[in-house]
Amino acid sequence: GQQVMQIPQYQHVQEGEDFTTYCNSSTTLSNIQWYKQRPGGHPVFLIQLVKSGEVKKQKRLTFQFGEAKKNSSLHITATQTTDVGTYFCAGMTTDSWGKLQFGAGTQVVVTP
Amino acid sequence: NAGVTQTPKFQVLKTGQSMTLQCAQDMNHEYMSWYRQDPGMGLRLIHYSVGAGITDQGEVPNGYNVSRSTTEDFPLRLLSAAPSQTSVYFCASSYSDSADTQYFGPGTRLTVL
Repeated sequence: GQQVMQIPQYQHVQEGEDFTTYCNSSTTLSNIQWYKQRPGGHPVFLIQLVKSGEVKKQKRLTFQFGEAKKNSSLHITATQTTDVGTYFCAGMTTDSWGKLQFGAGTQVVVTP
Repeated sequence: NAGVTQTPKFQVLKTGQSMTLQCAQDMNHEYMSWYRQDPGMGLRLIHYSVGAGITDQGEVPNGYNVSRSTTEDFPLRLLSAAPSQTSVYFCASSYSDSADTQYFGPGTRLTVL
């Protein structure tokens, strides 16, 4: 079964508000990647986290990797209509090298 | 650079038909992979390759074959299409392995009747 879980599955956000999406794994991850897929498009790489407790920022997006390397989060501040899309996390476990496992994604809808 | 290209963009098959989904990349990437995307399930790995002549199974390999005779090309073959294979298929490539940035193609939307 799927080892990488994402919550929530759907997120309705008012423009200007903040929100967070979470990614959890049943096993320790060697790395975590985040992708964004616009409606009708293909996944596009956003960022990769490798170190325990790592925090990276990209403008209004803040990515965190948990201390135990079993969870990650993406926090978006002051949401804009351009943030619409589905956000996926993807990770690899130490015993599944070569196999990137994706979460089911968080679909984000932004209301003006 | 064209990046990762996939053909066709859309395809309708009848149950039992076979076909090949094409994937090519011009970035000299060693790692290539195929995913299928179904609503609520994210992307599931079908097969992957770490270099020419080397392929391995992913999470959902049944009903699909792959080969990697060149670095550039990684075709996915459906041997006998089934309605359960209706999905959007994405090919991806990366520089050396799955720990690198994955570059995705535009996808192939397949319907099996």
